[in-house]
Amino acid sequence: KAGVTQTPRYLIKTRGQQVTLSCSPISGHRSVSWYQQTPGQGLQFLFEYFSETQRNKGNFPGRFSGRQFSNSRSEMNVSTLELGDSALYLCASSLSGIFEQYFGPGTRLTVT
Amino acid sequence: AQTVTQSQPEMSVQEAETVTLSCTYDTSESDYYLFWYKQPPSRQMILVIRQEAYKQQNATENRFSVNFQKAAKSFSLKISDSQLGDAAMYFCAYTSSGSARQLTFGSGTQLTVLP
Repeated sequence: KAGVTQTPRYLIKTRGQQVTLSCSPISGHRSVSWYQQTPGQGLQFLFEYFSETQRNKGNFPGRFSGRQFSNSRSEMNVSTLELGDSALYLCASSLSGIFEQYFGPGTRLTVT
Repeated sequence: AQTVTQSQPEMSVQEAETVTLSCTYDTSESDYYLFWYKQPPSRQMILVIRQEAYKQQNATENRFSVNFQKAAKSFSLKISDSQLGDAAMYFCAYTSSGSARQLTFGSGTQLTVLP
């Protein structure tokens, strides 16, 4: 069974631009969660989607948004990029929630 | 708010020896789950072991076991017979069983395995 895939793996953007990251969960998994990992703040929960609905949201500004499609694939969007948004963005999928999450390899976003 | 604390930023262990990584957490919930995740240099997070708070028995997965002390809010990971492939950053994580089910991670412990 294929694992969680994330595209692109690496991305360089300029401050003020917007970016969209994609996550394809393991087949049959309906829950997708997103995390931001930085050296300073560590791993922080962004949001979780289940059956196309945002079920949980972390403490991030409205510039961070996401959505989930009917095939459970999820996208995360960050608008008006700031230097501090440079991070590794991890996506995780599970059958029904947080309890048994499988992570993707991450997307490394660099904002210049 | 729930917090997870890993007080050992770095640890090292000799190959084939045993090492214990510490984790404490703070919560007012009675029903929750605790995890240890491993993140090797590839950055891929891998679930090592999971513990349900309502279970008194400590979880075990091959060479990995936990010491779960609910009253003390402590959740340590013991790695037996350490192997070079165990070298990684280890994160302790918490989630409640309630509606706000999100993983809260500790700051991590970088484990080095010495040959």
